[in-house]
Amino acid sequence: GAVVSQHPSWVICKSGTSVKIECRSLDFQATTMFWYRQFPKQSLMLMATSNEGSKATYEQGVEKDKFLINHASLTLSTLTVTSAHPEDSSFYICSALLAGNNEQFFGPGTRLTVL
Amino acid sequence: DAKTTQPTSMDCAEGRAANLPCNHSTISGNEYVYWYRQIHSQGPQYIIHGLKNNETNEMASLIITEDRKSSTLILPHATLRDTAVYYCIVRVAWSNYKLTFGKGTLLTVNP
Repeated sequence: GAVVSQHPSWVICKSGTSVKIECRSLDFQATTMFWYRQFPKQSLMLMATSNEGSKATYEQGVEKDKFLINHASLTLSTLTVTSAHPEDSSFYICSALLAGNNEQFFGPGTRLTVL
Repeated sequence: DAKTTQPTSMDCAEGRAANLPCNHSTISGNEYVYWYRQIHSQGPQYIIHGLKNNETNEMASLIITEDRKSSTLILPHATLRDTAVYYCIVRVAWSNYKLTFGKGTLLTVNP
């Protein structure tokens, strides 16, 4: 099946620093990737849709200048949390859209803890 | 996308069939029913989807009522590894591909 990886799987950083999370589709090309955030005991919330070669589309309430998304190739999208604060601590999950059957395949997630 | 209603939690004995219900009474004619599950601290995993016919794959069966207002995901022989939150999502295929996750059902499989 289609495999999506994320790196790192977990990260701890100090408040005010920036953190980059990578999402890769390992065995297929993905023109569209999605970024979700999940707080403890809550469901996944879509943050943004990332399209290769163009600007990401952010959901309402998500700050595009704080959560920078780059989708420079058909197999890699990155999410950078800029000037992270403790309230940004969460589980960040990406998914990649498999063209043809239009299904989303999810990465394993990245646990971000901001101290 | 139409909203779905699922029970908050369910229990099932290991080896027995797990039947997870989902109500989607406002589903549109071009909306599919998708099921995903999320094991603790992992990304969601696709299970199955259907439009109006019943579907079966190696993981589960999906039974959709004739009026399409509800569906049931069946895990025929639940194992401890099936303990997870199960999400029922309806969306239009070939659209913007967005998935809107509700709260899902926490299925606990007991030994």
